[in-house]
Amino acid sequence: NAGVTQTPKFQVLKTGQSMTLQCAQDMNHNSMYWYRQDPGMGLRLIYYSASEGTTDKGEVPNGYNVSRLNKREFSLRLESAAPSQTSVYFCASRVTGTVNTGELFFGEGSRLTVL
Amino acid sequence: DAKTTQPTSMDCAEGRAANLPCNHSTISGNEYVYWYRQIHSQGPQYIIHGLKNNETNEMASLIITEDRKSSTLILPHATLRDTAVYYCIGSSGGSYIPTFGRGTSLIVHP
Repeated sequence: NAGVTQTPKFQVLKTGQSMTLQCAQDMNHNSMYWYRQDPGMGLRLIYYSASEGTTDKGEVPNGYNVSRLNKREFSLRLESAAPSQTSVYFCASRVTGTVNTGELFFGEGSRLTVL
Repeated sequence: DAKTTQPTSMDCAEGRAANLPCNHSTISGNEYVYWYRQIHSQGPQYIIHGLKNNETNEMASLIITEDRKSSTLILPHATLRDTAVYYCIGSSGGSYIPTFGRGTSLIVHP
């Protein structure tokens, strides 16, 4: 089982460049999430997708867009990268239900540097 | 979801029990308490969760107070590999946002 797979693991961009972070899960989870983590900070939610075909903003969505391509894949796009977006990005997924949800499964992270 | 409060840092001697507290005084009746940990800069890893009763698994024990306003994660015999940041979050069914605070940085020393 691969679990949650993120690509790329490392990326260096110049200010103004665009890129897409890819995330795929093979656990048939309906909910997927993108977080960012800055040094010494907790995880902050950027966007999430409660189910295929839906996406919603989290705490820090500005400068990002997302696409829930299908049940397995949830991508995060930076249209015009800024140095403030230098961070480690984590994708996560889980089962959600009416009573409770399963635990979050996280990818290994994508380390992005914007110069 | 409940707002959780955790100490910024703690330390523990190797081989001793590590007791990590979490305050979740605003937790609702159907909200579970979940614990995760993050080693270095890896993705967080699930540890344990509970609703009302105390829970135990191969990694840890979770003690939830009767009023459910706080809980304690117990690592019974801490090892150096347990050095990590530990997060306590609330979680319930339906559409909601799992929110992580800064967690507790646990350092296990020899």
